[in-house]
Amino acid sequence: DAGVTQTPRHEVAEKGQTIILKCEPVSGHNDLFWYRQTKIQGLELLSYFRSKSLMEDGGAFKDRFKAEMLNSSFSTLKIQPTEPKDSAVYLCASRPVAETLYFGSGTRLTVL
Amino acid sequence: AQKVTQTQTSISVMEKTTVTMDCVYETQDSSYFLFWYKQTASGEIVFLIRQDSYKKENATVGHYSLNFQKPKSSIGLIITATQIEDSAVYFCAMREGQGGRALIFGTGTTVSVSP
Repeated sequence: DAGVTQTPRHEVAEKGQTIILKCEPVSGHNDLFWYRQTKIQGLELLSYFRSKSLMEDGGAFKDRFKAEMLNSSFSTLKIQPTEPKDSAVYLCASRPVAETLYFGSGTRLTVL
Repeated sequence: AQKVTQTQTSISVMEKTTVTMDCVYETQDSSYFLFWYKQTASGEIVFLIRQDSYKKENATVGHYSLNFQKPKSSIGLIITATQIEDSAVYFCAMREGQGGRALIFGTGTTVSVSP
């Protein structure tokens, strides 16, 4: 089975731009997560979907961050507008219901 | 509110020794699940081991084991007979309830294993 696929691996954006990160979960997994990873904060939850329904979102990220599940096998994370403090690794993960997480390789975002 | 805290930023050990890292958690739920994940230098994050709150016996998988102290809200990870490839960042995580909840992670502990 293919794992979680994230594209692109690297993204460089100018401050104020809109960027869209993509994720394909493991086939058959019901749950999909977006996390942001920084050295200081570690892994912070951005959004959690179950069967395309939003279950949880990170309160601090509602402003400029919007995750969507367009179908059961594809999700996007839009950041609009980007700010330098958004520079981080964005991780997508999926899991079968209530089991352990499978992580993608992440997208490293740099905002200039 | 749930919270996971890892106070040790980094640990250095010699190969073939034992390393222990700490994690404390906060939750109001009577049922919860605790996990440890490993992130390698390549960035890959993999699941290592889990402890369900209702189980009294400490979980063990290979050379990983847990020290679950429920009254202290503590779940330590122990790696015995460490190898160079155990050098990584280790994350503690928690999920509340029976399902339908996200994992909340600690900030991680970097382990460096020297020959």
